[in-house]
Amino acid sequence: QSALTQPRSVSGSPGQSVTISCTGTSSDVGGYNYVSWYQQHPGKVPKLMIYDVTKRPSGVPDRFSGSKSGNTASLTISGLQAEDEADYYCCSYAGSYTWVFGGGTKLTVL
Amino acid sequence: EVQLVESGGGLVKPGGSLRLSCAASGFTFNTYSMNWVRQAPGKGLEWVSSISSTSSYIYYADSVKGRFTISRDNAKNSLYLQMNSLRAEDTAVYYCASLIQQPKWGQGTLVTVSS
Repeated sequence: QSALTQPRSVSGSPGQSVTISCTGTSSDVGGYNYVSWYQQHPGKVPKLMIYDVTKRPSGVPDRFSGSKSGNTASLTISGLQAEDEADYYCCSYAGSYTWVFGGGTKLTVL
Repeated sequence: EVQLVESGGGLVKPGGSLRLSCAASGFTFNTYSMNWVRQAPGKGLEWVSSISSTSSYIYYADSVKGRFTISRDNAKNSLYLQMNSLRAEDTAVYYCASLIQQPKWGQGTLVTVSS
């Protein structure tokens, strides 16, 4: 039940693209296509941005995209906007009905 | 509209107990495995426990094993978390969530363990 590894912080200027990585093992990220990404603003409930590695819920801008290679999943935000500044968490299925989260990444829009 | 509404949070002394509830609506609750996820103040998200759709499979994070019990009542579209022997480190917002397919989360309920 070790947490997935995310960078503690990333930053980018408005209009740029940033990518947040989420590294696990073959028992979680690498073993299943059940990786999701959440955006959380201070004091707010986590908001689903990506699920099943690449799927975007209705209402989430297509500036947000997800991918996976081996044991590492990634969230890419293109055309960065001020309101994208938030904490981002990845989550992966780890087998036997268990789940594991990343430690979170603070995105700063410069 | 999918809704998950948690209740039962509050202030409890160390060593005390609390029972959280989660009322589900807007989806076929009895076909989904369900989870409790928590977030301590200023910290990240932590998976706490899961229960399969028919309650046949139940799992806990090591941090709560032996102290917390998850259960569900499909007839009432409800999920529960019985928390015993509470510790200061259990202080967190507790979310009820379905994490499979298109994940669904509640708004959370705050549990504070303090003397």
